[in-house]
Amino acid sequence: NAGVMQNPRHLVRRRGQEARLRCSPMKGHSHVYWYRQLPEEGLKFMVYLQKENIIDESGMPKERFSAEFPKEGPSILRIQQVVRGDSAAYFCASSQGGWRQETQYFGPGTRLLVL
Amino acid sequence: AQSVTQLGSHVSVSEGALVLLRCNYSSSVPPYLFWYVQYPNQGLQLLLKYTSAATLVKGINGFEAEFKKSETSFHLTKPSAHMRDAAEYFCAVSLNSGYALNFGKGTSLLVTP
Repeated sequence: NAGVMQNPRHLVRRRGQEARLRCSPMKGHSHVYWYRQLPEEGLKFMVYLQKENIIDESGMPKERFSAEFPKEGPSILRIQQVVRGDSAAYFCASSQGGWRQETQYFGPGTRLLVL
Repeated sequence: AQSVTQLGSHVSVSEGALVLLRCNYSSSVPPYLFWYVQYPNQGLQLLLKYTSAATLVKGINGFEAEFKKSETSFHLTKPSAHMRDAAEYFCAVSLNSGYALNFGKGTSLLVTP
């Protein structure tokens, strides 16, 4: 019973490059959430997706960031033209439903370092 | 909007001593509250959650938390600390929209021999 899977676990990019982070939710889960954790900070919500739909992207920076959750395949968080301030740990979580009391199960994260 | 505040960014206890990690919430609606633990370089693992069924919630690894509406608190406790409990602990509240969790800044627990 695999949990939430994220890859890569570590990603190094130079300024101006693109970063693609992948997330496969737990089996049977159709709700995916992306969070960002900056050093010494808690997790900050970025975006919430269901299959083929972005439900809430209120936490996403307006530029350079995008997310998708296609009908087939993993959810992708894409960061274009990365800058040093994008260096952080990015966590994906999934849940079975979208209710407030639902448990969100977290993946191990992708640690992005921008040089 | 719903939010949580964790008092104390670092807590140090001796092995075998009581663990108390504080979390206060702010919410205009009945809150759903969560405690997660994060070990170094890993993801978050759910310890326990409050969903209004019972005010005293028991979780994994011997942890429990009590929801106190009058104090707007949801403090995490464990009677006897183990070395393996050393980790980062996050309190979170479910936003009214139902989509996201709003996390506190975390409390780093250090357990000394």
